[in-house]
Amino acid sequence: QTVVTQEPSFSVSPGGTVTLTCGLSSGSVSTRYYPSWYQQTPGQAPRTLIYSTNTRSSGVPDRFSGSILGRKAALTITGAQADDESDYYCVLYMGSASWVFGGGTKLTVL
Amino acid sequence: QVELVESGGGVVQPGRSLRLSCVASGFTFSSYGMYWVRQAPGKGLEWVAVISYDGSNKYYTDSVKGRFTISRDNSKNTLYLQMNSLRAEDTALYYCARGTSSWYDYAMDVWGQGTTVTVSS
Repeated sequence: QTVVTQEPSFSVSPGGTVTLTCGLSSGSVSTRYYPSWYQQTPGQAPRTLIYSTNTRSSGVPDRFSGSILGRKAALTITGAQADDESDYYCVLYMGSASWVFGGGTKLTVL
Repeated sequence: QVELVESGGGVVQPGRSLRLSCVASGFTFSSYGMYWVRQAPGKGLEWVAVISYDGSNKYYTDSVKGRFTISRDNSKNTLYLQMNSLRAEDTALYYCARGTSSWYDYAMDVWGQGTTVTVSS
């Protein structure tokens, strides 16, 4: 059973830059996994940030960017703001019409 | 504006059934694949099922195969999830989500607010 890995928690200072990653328990993430990223604040529905590795969803500011860094997918937030404090989830397309979410990263801005 | 509104959740005993609905508005429903994603209390997101724009292709996560059925009625702009033989581990907030404009981006881009399913005796 493939596990999608994310950092459980991360912190960033206001105005700073943070990179969250999304990996595989076995193997490397590449663009063929079509990584996407979602932001969720407590009590709210998820919001789509990035899909297909690096395409920003409608209305998402360009301080959110996606990429492949080494063996993982990455979400970079530049100029972090207080309202970026959220849970961030990646999801990978595993082929054969199957998707697996990572466990999420709790981002603190302080 | 684009909106997805789920309904049909509730408290149900183990082994019983429930049908969730998701009404779409603000876009051409029949042009998009649609997803169900769930979130158990205090846990992360889990993909449950997906259906193609015309309903011809349906796929499920292993834990619900044979128990859940995803369907859609494009004339009513409505997505469904029929859940049978419910188990305690199906307890979750169930979200419907619209797929991106291209199926081959393999992602969701608009989410509803969710409906809660609690399986308990």
